[in-house]
Amino acid sequence: NAGVTQTPKFQVLKTGQSMTLQCAQDMNHEYMSWYRQDPGMGLRLIHYSVGAGITDQGEVPNGYNVSRSTTEDFPLRLLSAAPSQTSVYFCASRTGTEAFFGQGTRLTVV
Amino acid sequence: KNQVEQSPQSLIILEGKNCTLQCNYTVSPFSNLRWYKQDTGRGPVSLTIMTFSENTKSNGRYTATLDADTKQSSLHITASQLSDSASYICVVSPLTFNTDKLIFGTGTRLQVFP
Repeated sequence: NAGVTQTPKFQVLKTGQSMTLQCAQDMNHEYMSWYRQDPGMGLRLIHYSVGAGITDQGEVPNGYNVSRSTTEDFPLRLLSAAPSQTSVYFCASRTGTEAFFGQGTRLTVV
Repeated sequence: KNQVEQSPQSLIILEGKNCTLQCNYTVSPFSNLRWYKQDTGRGPVSLTIMTFSENTKSNGRYTATLDADTKQSSLHITASQLSDSASYICVVSPLTFNTDKLIFGTGTRLQVFP
């Protein structure tokens, strides 16, 4: 049982480049979400999805896009990376009150 | 001002000792309060989840308490082990239509030395 799988684990981007952070879960959870974790701050919600075809913005959505074409996958897209997007990104899926997190993607934008 | 504040920011203890981590929150009303353990370089892993009506919840050597009147929670770790070295995050879920909204504290970094 893989749980929540994120790829890549590490990534360095140049300012202005685009990329997609991948997230997949094999638990058939309807609810998935993306967070970013920055030093001295709690995890902050970027985008979330309550099911395939449905997404919504969280607390810090600017600069990020998401889509949910299947229950399993919830990719996060950075269209034009900025240094302010340097962070650790976590994908999570949820059933009831229990949330399961991926291992994170450490992104550096130079 | 953070709606979920944790103290201390960091803590060093010797293996075998007990410790207590604190969480104060202003979120109201809330649905549940969670404690997560986050090892370095890993994602958070759930330790306990308590609804507003619960006072205590245990998971092995971890015991969480909740006082909804004072809006305080604590996580007590008994007989600490080296593997307890991690960040411990308090998370509050507001009672809203969007039940996925979670408000995270900044965590307490615990280091257990032999």
